[in-house]
Amino acid sequence: KQEVTQIPAALSVPEGENLVLNCSFTDSAIYNLQWFRQDPGKGLTSLLLIQSSQREQTSGRLNASLDKSSGRSTLYIAASQPGDSATYLCAVTGGNMLTFGGGTRLMVKP
Amino acid sequence: DTAVSQTPKYLVTQMGNDKSIKCEQNLGHDTMYWYKQDSKKFLKIMFSYNNKELIINETVPNRFSPKSPDKAHLNLHINSLELGDSAVYFCASSQPGLAAANEQFFGPGTRLTVL
Repeated sequence: KQEVTQIPAALSVPEGENLVLNCSFTDSAIYNLQWFRQDPGKGLTSLLLIQSSQREQTSGRLNASLDKSSGRSTLYIAASQPGDSATYLCAVTGGNMLTFGGGTRLMVKP
Repeated sequence: DTAVSQTPKYLVTQMGNDKSIKCEQNLGHDTMYWYKQDSKKFLKIMFSYNNKELIINETVPNRFSPKSPDKAHLNLHINSLELGDSAVYFCASSQPGLAAANEQFFGPGTRLTVL
């Protein structure tokens, strides 16, 4: 059974810092990996999707990498801003279902 | 235009009642899902439907009965509500076979509180 773990569970950084969020999964037989953002009391916004055959995806200040063989993904956020404060969720697709990690709560202080 | 919509946004009810949450997607996707996010914010899949047919049921109590009248709608009916059903329920959809296959799009969530 797939298990997804995100480290750290919470992170507080000053504005302008570059930061890395980590995601690991136990079963490497995945179809793709998605990173989401969830603001308090809101739904999920898809940030990046990496197909199992890809190594990374970039969108603006965000870069996500995937190492399927080691069961790891990282989300790199460059030049963090207070507006980046949210919970970031990693999820892997296998067997037509998404398995989520517990999320990383990010606080970017002005 | 809202891609995946859910109603109601908030639902407060008494234990033992029966309630429904509606979900609609206008993305033309074939597959729809229901997820539950508990008080610890952990998201877990409940059901998945493909073209109105159930394909995933993750050991959810049979008090929960999804209904898909057409592939754009997946409603969740809950009988005999219990305190432990309090959570945020998210609907999602995806389209297998696209270039970004199985990228899932989520609705805004329905916060259910059982008193």
